[in-house]
Amino acid sequence: NAGVTQTPKFRILKIGQSMTLQCTQDMNHNYMYWYRQDPGMGLKLIYYSVGAGITDKGEVPNGYNVSRSTTEDFPLRLELAAPSQTSVYFCASSNRIGQGNTEAFFGQGTRLTVV
Amino acid sequence: QQQVKQSPQSLIVQKGGISIINCAYENTAFDYFPWYQQFPGKGPALLIAIRPDVSEKKEGRFTISFNKSAKQFSLHIMDSQPGDSATYFCAASKGGGTDKLIFGTGTRLQVFP
Repeated sequence: NAGVTQTPKFRILKIGQSMTLQCTQDMNHNYMYWYRQDPGMGLKLIYYSVGAGITDKGEVPNGYNVSRSTTEDFPLRLELAAPSQTSVYFCASSNRIGQGNTEAFFGQGTRLTVV
Repeated sequence: QQQVKQSPQSLIVQKGGISIINCAYENTAFDYFPWYQQFPGKGPALLIAIRPDVSEKKEGRFTISFNKSAKQFSLHIMDSQPGDSATYFCAASKGGGTDKLIFGTGTRLQVFP
C-alpha cells in the first residue's frame, strides 16, 4: 500500500538547470497537488489538478510547470532553477467524496537545494 | 495575502499540560477545516477535521473548537505527551473539502517530560 510516492528524496541543482520532480499515487484519487514548504511559511500551493488533463495554478506557480496525463502521475517541472526554489516539495492527493471526510495524503517530500 | 493565519509559531508545553493552537480565516466560503500533523522528515498527515455546522469535535486527546462568527478555530491537545512533539498546520478548504487546501504557517510544538 504505497499511497503517494515522490522521487527523488533529495536533489542539488545548479542555477539554470532543469529537473522534474516525480509524484505517483495508487489510490485512484482525482485530486493531486504540489506544495512547497519553507521555514515559517507553511505550505504554499504551487499547482493542482482535479483530474487527468486538467491543471490549475495555485498561490506560487511562477517558475514551475505541471502535467497530468494519467490519474496516477503528476510531475512538477522546474525549467530554470533559481536559489529561491530551494525548498521542500510535497505532492498530495485526495478524493472527491462529496460531504464525507476529505483527507489529503502527502508524500514524503523532496528536499531541493539550488546552488 | 495570508488567507489562514496561525499562531503561535512555536509552543513549549510540559508533559500532561494542554497545548492550544489558534487559527483565523478570512474567506467565509471555507467550509472544511482540517488540522495536519507533521513529524520531521515526513509529510503532513490528517489529524482531525471539522465542518462549520458543529462548534466542537473531539477525537481522543485532540479537540477542535470552531467559532463561525469570529471566523476562528483552534486545536486543543489535552494531556500533551512528548510523542505529540511535531509541527501542526491548520488548513481550510471550500466545497466540503474537495477544493484545494489553504494552509496556515504552522506551529512547532515541543512537549517536555
